[in-house]
Amino acid sequence: GAVVSQHPSWVICKSGTSVKIECRSLDFQATTMFWYRQFPKQSLMLMATSNEGSKATYEQGVEKDKFLINHASLTLSTLTVTSAHPEDSSFYICSAETGDGRAGNEQFFGPGTRLTVL
Amino acid sequence: QKEVEQDPGPLSVPEGAIVSLNCTYSNSAFQYFMWYRQYSRKGPELLMYTYSSGNKEDGRFTAQVDKSSKYISLFIRDSQPSDSATYLCAMSLISKGGKLIFGQGTELSVKP
Repeated sequence: GAVVSQHPSWVICKSGTSVKIECRSLDFQATTMFWYRQFPKQSLMLMATSNEGSKATYEQGVEKDKFLINHASLTLSTLTVTSAHPEDSSFYICSAETGDGRAGNEQFFGPGTRLTVL
Repeated sequence: QKEVEQDPGPLSVPEGAIVSLNCTYSNSAFQYFMWYRQYSRKGPELLMYTYSSGNKEDGRFTAQVDKSSKYISLFIRDSQPSDSATYLCAMSLISKGGKLIFGQGTELSVKP
C-alpha cells in the first residue's frame, strides 16, 4: 500500500509554455501533499505544502504565481509551472501524507517528474 | 549555514564493506530523524526513522542519533551492489511527516 504516482514522468517543453504535473495517492487519501524540487546531485527542496480544499503554503523564495498548486481532492494534487524557462528545468517530486495517524503520518514519495525546458 | 549538512560523496566501497553515512544539523528542535534511499531518477523511499536520541537496527541497517552532538549516522553492514543509491538524511520537528529538511544526499556505489 501507500503508493504515490506522478504523471508525466518526463516532459520537454518550449520556453514560455505551461506544464502541468499530476500527483496521485493511489490507495489512500492524502490530506496533505508536498511538492519538492531537486537539482542534479542536490537535496530535495520543499517548494510548497498543500492541503485538500485550501490554498497551498509556499516556502520562502518560491513564486506562487509561477508554480500553481491545486489540491482539489484527497487523492490528487497538481503543480503547474507557468511560462516555463530553462532555469525551471529540474526534477519535481511530490509526496503525500495520510494525516490520519497511519504509519505515523509518514510521507510517501512519488517517482518524480523530470522537466526540461528548451 | 545549511540546517542539515551531508557529505555528498561519491562514496565507493567493495561488496561486503561496512558503510558509514553521516549528517550534522544545527536546529536542536528536530525530533524525528529519517534516512531515505533514492535510486537514480526515482523518488526517495524511507529506510529508517528514529525518534530523539538512540539507536535503531533493521537487518543490515543501523541508524544512530546523537542529539547532544547534533549528529546522525546510518551504518550498512555487508554492503551489496543493490545498495548502490543516493542516501538522504531528513529531519522533522514534529513527526515523520510534515515539513522535512533534507541533507544533500550521499551517492554510494558498492562494487562487486
